[in-house]
Amino acid sequence: QQQVKQSPQSLIVQKGGISIINCAYENTAFDYFPWYQQFPGKGPALLIAIRPDVSEKKEGRFTISFNKSAKQFSLHIMDSQPGDSATYFCAASSRGGADGLTFGKGTHLIIQP
Amino acid sequence: DGGITQSPKYLFRKEGQNVTLSCEQNLNHDAMYWYRQDPGQGLRLIYYSQIVNDFQKGDIAEGYSVSREKKESFPLTVTSAQKNPTAFYLCASSGQGNKQFFGPGTRLTVL
Repeated sequence: QQQVKQSPQSLIVQKGGISIINCAYENTAFDYFPWYQQFPGKGPALLIAIRPDVSEKKEGRFTISFNKSAKQFSLHIMDSQPGDSATYFCAASSRGGADGLTFGKGTHLIIQP
Repeated sequence: DGGITQSPKYLFRKEGQNVTLSCEQNLNHDAMYWYRQDPGQGLRLIYYSQIVNDFQKGDIAEGYSVSREKKESFPLTVTSAQKNPTAFYLCASSGQGNKQFFGPGTRLTVL
């Protein structure tokens, strides 16, 4: 049973556009929701994270929107750049992140110049 | 430099052999984690440890073992009981705030 479902599997966006990746979770005990960026052959890098007491968090060009009632959260990348081309993973954890993370299957994002 | 180191970067193993993957951190983090990544898949949790001399099984612990004798170190042994060990293995650590930071990974190939 997949506890975190991520979509789309792949995404192509024009330079300067907005990239949107969505995730849905099932476990109501989840209370910490990070997003990671991964380049080929590298470890994932933490981009931004949110806890369910807020509906939105913004850091630079990256924004997380969170809908607790729908059990959904999304990543928006504003003014997408070719350097943003990577695989993005959403994740979720309980106990504020102290437990291990449950990951979505990833979105392969390509930003066309 | 502060960070998480994993060694080796590439590892080849014959079937039936046990191998140990190293993970070291100098971030003074209490918690450490091991994940496995297969092509086209997200990361899956193998084991994690929140304090020295204590660890918990993750979602796919069968065929793996760990130890946590020092705060800085959390080695993972892939045993011969692991049926399909070829994968990219990632170690992470977290401190206050529980943000997990990942190492560069070890790619294990079974020949």
